[in-house]
Amino acid sequence: AQSVTQLDSQVPVFEEAPVELRCNYSSSVSVYLFWYVQYPNQGLQLLLKYLSGSTLVESINGFEAEFNKSQTSFHLRKPSVHISDTAEYFCAVSQETSGSRLTFGEGTQLTVNP
Amino acid sequence: NAGVTQTPKFQVLKTGQSMTLQCAQDMNHNSMYWYRQDPGMGLRLIYYSASEGTTDKGEVPNGYNVSRLNKREFSLRLESAAPSQTSVYFCASKRDSGTGWAQYFGPGTRLTVL
Repeated sequence: AQSVTQLDSQVPVFEEAPVELRCNYSSSVSVYLFWYVQYPNQGLQLLLKYLSGSTLVESINGFEAEFNKSQTSFHLRKPSVHISDTAEYFCAVSQETSGSRLTFGEGTQLTVNP
Repeated sequence: NAGVTQTPKFQVLKTGQSMTLQCAQDMNHNSMYWYRQDPGMGLRLIYYSASEGTTDKGEVPNGYNVSRLNKREFSLRLESAAPSQTSVYFCASKRDSGTGWAQYFGPGTRLTVL
């Protein structure tokens, strides 16, 4: 079985400040890791993923996440956030190479204040 | 190209009533999913379908049935609604070949059972 824990349910920050959203996972086998973002009143969108290779993965809008196997973590970071980054962020894992069956964390609400 | 569409957007039911949530995708994806989202619990998989004609139970299938009508459509039925089924329901689809890792989500159906 696999599980995901997002360590912070809410993260308030000021605009242009750095942010880190924490995600830890538990699995007895290799996993594939994902971050999804949900803007208000919308469905989820894939932000970035780790499948293999470089442990640092980046998104097109400045977010990055680092896979740390020894600490079983996949924390999401951004060096300078914008108001438009306000959303709920979900970490997810899959044990399947197809990424079909995802287990989601509880979500972290990021609120960026002016 | 509408992506994943869901109907209805909102629904209020009385305990014991039945209803079907509709989902359709126009991206020619093979896999389709139904999730429920509850505060503080992330998304939990109810059922999924890897291809037309096949369905499998997810994490929380009790009280639900599904039909993969064709490649485009995947419906979720509540035969006898209960207050515990008050939730936001998301449908998603996924391509299974090449680099199709992302699940694409619909806008959700907000269901209240009184």
